[in-house]
Amino acid sequence: GAGVSQSPRYKVAKRGQDVALRCDPISGHVSLFWYQQALGQGPEFLTYFQNEAQLDKSGLPSDRFFAERPEGSVSTLKIQRTQQEDSAVYLCASSLGLRSYNEQFFGPGTRLTVL
Amino acid sequence: AQKVTQAQTEISVVEKEDVTLDCVYETRDTTYYLFWYKQPPSGELVFLIRRNSFDEQNEISGRYSWNFQKSTSSFNFTITASQVVDSAVYFCALTDYGGSQGNLIFGKGTKLSVKP
Repeated sequence: GAGVSQSPRYKVAKRGQDVALRCDPISGHVSLFWYQQALGQGPEFLTYFQNEAQLDKSGLPSDRFFAERPEGSVSTLKIQRTQQEDSAVYLCASSLGLRSYNEQFFGPGTRLTVL
Repeated sequence: AQKVTQAQTEISVVEKEDVTLDCVYETRDTTYYLFWYKQPPSGELVFLIRRNSFDEQNEISGRYSWNFQKSTSSFNFTITASQVVDSAVYFCALTDYGGSQGNLIFGKGTKLSVKP
């Protein structure tokens, strides 16, 4: 399909493990966003890429969270030494343009459960 | 700071009823964009509408309509003759106008259940 894909869809980790979440945006989309959605809450911004450049990481909750998009397409969100409070759905979104009014297309998310 | 409030946590209606989902926002920007997204049980957020702060005209798309009132900082969403397939969580979101980033500020969502 031509939509945003994320993998894995579900991830269970033991506390202290490192995890890596992958996002494949729509081909040609310049902007890529990561959001965190806790149970019963709205998505909250984590970080933003314009092509390969990470222009905003102000939403990352701690230095255990790291994101990259080395070639300006696929992006990986890595969480080191996972904690129970990291349990959430992690959503990736991409948009064609650079402006705030461009529609963001969301992937299905990765549900992370930390035991 | 920007903020979006969706006071209705859950709404339950019977099929064919009309339902309105409320959204109130706060921003210091004079120009901004408002969005509605639908999140079905599958989890993927689906874009429904975008409205810029310059345009206060109401919009209708099939059974969906949106009422934007700048004076009350509200952007309410009405579903007419609801159907079971409308059952989902609906999010209202806000972003600044024309900025070169555009991360969305979401409300907490309203879970709509439409019963047959």
